[in-house]
Order: sequence, then structure tokens, then C-alpha cells
Amino acid sequence: DVVMTQSPLSLPVTLGQPASISCRSSQSLVYSDGNTYLNWFQQRPGQSPRRLIYKVSNRDSGVPDRFSGSGSGTDFTLKISRVEAEDVGFYYCMQYTQWPLTFGGGTRVEI
Amino acid sequence: QVQLQESGPGLVKPSETLSLTCAVSGYSVTSIYYWAWIRQSPGKGLEWIGTLYHNGDTWYNASLKSRVTTSVDTSKNQFSLNLSSVTAADTAVYYCARYTRAGGLDSWGQGALVTVSS
Repeated sequence: DVVMTQSPLSLPVTLGQPASISCRSSQSLVYSDGNTYLNWFQQRPGQSPRRLIYKVSNRDSGVPDRFSGSGSGTDFTLKISRVEAEDVGFYYCMQYTQWPLTFGGGTRVEI
Repeated sequence: QVQLQESGPGLVKPSETLSLTCAVSGYSVTSIYYWAWIRQSPGKGLEWIGTLYHNGDTWYNASLKSRVTTSVDTSKNQFSLNLSSVTAADTAVYYCARYTRAGGLDSWGQGALVTVSS
């Protein structure tokens, strides 16, 4: 199974300042078709996860453009250019290049 | 826009079978999409349980495979999860979600808390 490792576990942030979350996979997430299948999810307190990013860097409609995903191979990053109060919560990466789907342990973003 | 809603007993006794249903609205379960079950417990974070397609194809987490069955009910536009021989370790919030090869898990239900206790 592909092990997904996120860091940091907890990320204290300042409103208006940037934030960055790292996600590393135990093996390359590049599939034989050339695509890299990685999601980022946001989970606000008391809510279900919401997809922010698919295929590493494609932002979902309705997701503010202050969120961006990047990376390749085994190293990926979610960046928030200017943190807002509504961004508080947990963030998870997930690979779907191969079965089983596996998630990172999560990063708690707090003001 | 797709909406998913989990339902089922919130309390299950040890050794019994956990049964949940996910009602889908906005899309047909027989469309091009796949459907998935995920759970979240304090001790293990998010854990993928399995993914299914309306034609009967299934993919399961090996750690749960011996206890998991899933099915699609096209007449009710819903899909289901059965997890047998449950223990306290199966206590979690269970989510259903829509899955695509290109986009991963793109839509999630609100989640259903299931507690395993006598």
C-alpha cells in the first residue's frame, strides 16, 4: 500500500499570511497513463471532507483561488496564499493512483 | 449537483453486522460514476473501505475485505455497505462518496456515526 505522510501535524497560522502543507508518498504517484492522482480535502469542524484539489493541482469550482496544489512524483504541497478565518480545520491528502486509496494523517490548521 | 445521504443504525452490538445505505440524488447510480465508502475514527483517521460500480465490480481494502459486502439498488438509486463481525474498533463516522478515476472522491455525504457497543 502507498503510505501518505503529511507534515506538519498542526499548523498555527496568522490571518492574511501564507500557509503550506506537505504530503509525501512512499512511492511515485505517476500512473502508467502519465497522470498523477492526488486529492486534497478540507474538513471544517463538524463537517464532512470537501474536495479542494484533484490531480495534484486542479482546483474545484467554488474553491477560492488562494488555495493551490503543486508537486510531482512523491512530493506534494497545498498552499494557502492568505489564510482566512474560514480556512480553519483539517486538511488531508489522498492518493488514488492505485488501490487501496490511502489518506495522509491530516494537518490541523488553526489561527 | 449530486447529493449523498447515509442512513442506518447508530448503535450495533459486537459480533453483529453493521448495515448502512447511501441515498443518491441528482445523479443515477447507474451513471458513469463509481461509489465509495470511507470511515473516520479518532484512532485511525480516514480509511477507505471500498469502491463499487453498478455493474457489480468492487474494490475493497484488504484489511476489511473478509467482512465487507456492498451492493447497488438501482430501483431506489442507492448503494449499501455491510460490515460483519464488528468490534469496538469499527466505531467510526461512515461516509459515502462519489468516485471518478480522473477526480478521485469528488462528493461526500454528511456521514453517519456508528458506535459498536453492547
